[in-house]
Amino acid sequence: AQTVTQSQPEMSVQEAETVTLSCTYDTSENNYYLFWYKQPPSRQMILVIRQEAYKQQNATENRFSVNFQKAAKSFSLKISDSQLGDTAMYFCAFMKFQTGANNLFFGTGTRLTVIP
Amino acid sequence: EAGVTQSPTHLIKTRGQQATLRCSPISGHTSVYWYQQALGLGLQFLLWYDEGEERNRGNFPPRFSGRQFPNYSSELNVNALELEDSALYLCASSLVKSPLHFGNGTRLTVT
Repeated sequence: AQTVTQSQPEMSVQEAETVTLSCTYDTSENNYYLFWYKQPPSRQMILVIRQEAYKQQNATENRFSVNFQKAAKSFSLKISDSQLGDTAMYFCAFMKFQTGANNLFFGTGTRLTVIP
Repeated sequence: EAGVTQSPTHLIKTRGQQATLRCSPISGHTSVYWYQQALGLGLQFLLWYDEGEERNRGNFPPRFSGRQFPNYSSELNVNALELEDSALYLCASSLVKSPLHFGNGTRLTVT
């Protein structure tokens, strides 16, 4: 079975600073996707960034980037120039490549607070 | 384009009652997923529907059931409600092998 672990229940960062959220996962699969989702107080889960395991290049989306270490099964999210709107729960998620999104496994989340 | 819509926003039921939650996917998406997000826990996979069929279900009792209609909208039914069913229920839709797009959820409170 796949498991996703987020070991930081809560984090805070000063506005304009950089913060890194950690995520590790356990799988025997070779092909898979990894995602970071953001859940602000509005409750809607918003896709932040995705990474295909077969790609060695780390994904980047504006101020958001990942450090994907396949051998270590690590997938951290770096948020640069943090903004107040980044305050939210952040969930790391794993999806098998073959069988589709019915096998999307989530971590327990990290609550990020951006301090003005 | 309109996103995933869920109704109602909030639902309050008493123990033993039944709850029905509704979800309309993004236009063109044939897959609908239901997740339970209990306080302090991550998202737990409940059900996956695609093209009107139940494709997979998570580790939940049969009290949790649902269906998908010809227009791809979906209902989640929870029978014989228990206090621990209180949670945020999130619906998501997607195309095949594409990221999930989530709705704003239904907050179910069982008293």
